[in-house]
Amino acid sequence: GAVVSQHPSWVICKSGTSVKIECRSLDFQATTMFWYRQFPKQSLMLMATSNEGSKATYEQGVEKDKFLINHASLTLSTLTVTSAHPEDSSFYICSASDRGNTIYFGEGSWLTVV
Amino acid sequence: GENVEQHPSTLSVQEGDSAVIKCTYSDSASNYFPWYKQELGKGPQLIIDIRSNVGEKKDQRIAVTLNKTAKHFSLHITETQPEDSAVYFCAASRDTGGFKTIFGAGTRLFVKA
Repeated sequence: GAVVSQHPSWVICKSGTSVKIECRSLDFQATTMFWYRQFPKQSLMLMATSNEGSKATYEQGVEKDKFLINHASLTLSTLTVTSAHPEDSSFYICSASDRGNTIYFGEGSWLTVV
Repeated sequence: GENVEQHPSTLSVQEGDSAVIKCTYSDSASNYFPWYKQELGKGPQLIIDIRSNVGEKKDQRIAVTLNKTAKHFSLHITETQPEDSAVYFCAASRDTGGFKTIFGAGTRLFVKA
């Protein structure tokens, strides 16, 4: 099946700094990518839909200036958590959709803000 | 808005038994129904999917059934093994413009050896 790669798999950063997470579709072009946040023992919470060449669409309650999304190419989307705080610590997952609207997920990125 | 309800939230079975997870969706325009398996600390992995023009699909020990009239779909795992223990998510989406995939809340499956 299609492969979506996410990097880094885990990162620790200091409060107030910014951290970038990359999501790449390795064997298909993805015009749409999605970013999720997952808390322990909970379902996936959609944060935003990333559209290649245009602005991301954010879900209600998600701060677009806090979670910057860039989808500069058909195979890469990035999520930057700006001015990170401990409450931003979470498991972040991206996914990419192929032309058949099948969604493939990345491996996830653990963010710990200290 | 649209939603997907998933039951049960937790399921414990003995190795070798079958496990069934059920989902109900609200958007009658949904036409694509994937199932994902998420192991601890990893991203969800697509394990099987079904489209609205099919009532049942099988892949070795896993099968999915779809009842469009009742807006129900189910995941069936036969001859369960300890490595089947994970969280399973169902989802529903449609391929019209601006589609959004709606996920169920997840089912935590424990397979006891």
